[in-house]
Amino acid sequence: AQKVTQAQTEISVVEKEDVTLDCVYETRDTTYYLFWYKQPPSGELVFLIRRNSFDEQNEISGRYSWNFQKSTSSFNFTITASQVVDSAVYFCALSGLGTGANNLFFGTGTRLTVIP
Amino acid sequence: DGGITQSPKYLFRKEGQNVTLSCEQNLNHDAMYWYRQDPGQGLRLIYYSQIVNDFQKGDIAEGYSVSREKKESFPLTVTSAQKNPTAFYLCASSITSGRDEQFFGPGTRLTVL
Repeated sequence: AQKVTQAQTEISVVEKEDVTLDCVYETRDTTYYLFWYKQPPSGELVFLIRRNSFDEQNEISGRYSWNFQKSTSSFNFTITASQVVDSAVYFCALSGLGTGANNLFFGTGTRLTVIP
Repeated sequence: DGGITQSPKYLFRKEGQNVTLSCEQNLNHDAMYWYRQDPGQGLRLIYYSQIVNDFQKGDIAEGYSVSREKKESFPLTVTSAQKNPTAFYLCASSITSGRDEQFFGPGTRLTVL
């Protein structure tokens, strides 16, 4: 069974603070893919990153960085020097290659509010 | 501009009526998906289609139906059998399968009166 847990329901930070959004996943597949999506107030999901299970290198893209650790089944997302435009709901998602290979299993999301 | 369009953005229907939500993409993607989002929850898969004239049930297909007669189009019908249809519906597409990045439309908010 595939499962994604985002334990943080809501987080508020003051602008310019760093913030980390946690994601823990469960899967029996040895090959799988992890994703992060951003959902701004407009509602449309925006793709941020995809990571396959064989690539544990951390990734940095501007103010965004991701920490993938298979040992703890986690794929955490850090925003450095947060900005008001970062306010959104962030979803972590998992896709395996076994049963349900075409399913993208989403966590329940973390609502981030950046206070100016 | 390439992308996914969904219409309408807001939809109201009376209980007992069927309603069809539109989803069109011009990304030349093979796979298309329908998700339902309820407040405070993640997205749940309703149906997906990997190729034209083929589609598969997702986790919550009961009360919904789809068709895939054209590569660009994947309409979703919410039938009267769906017991709690009020939700936000998102359509997505990807190049081939679920392991690919999915591109999402702006969504349709359906309210049953």
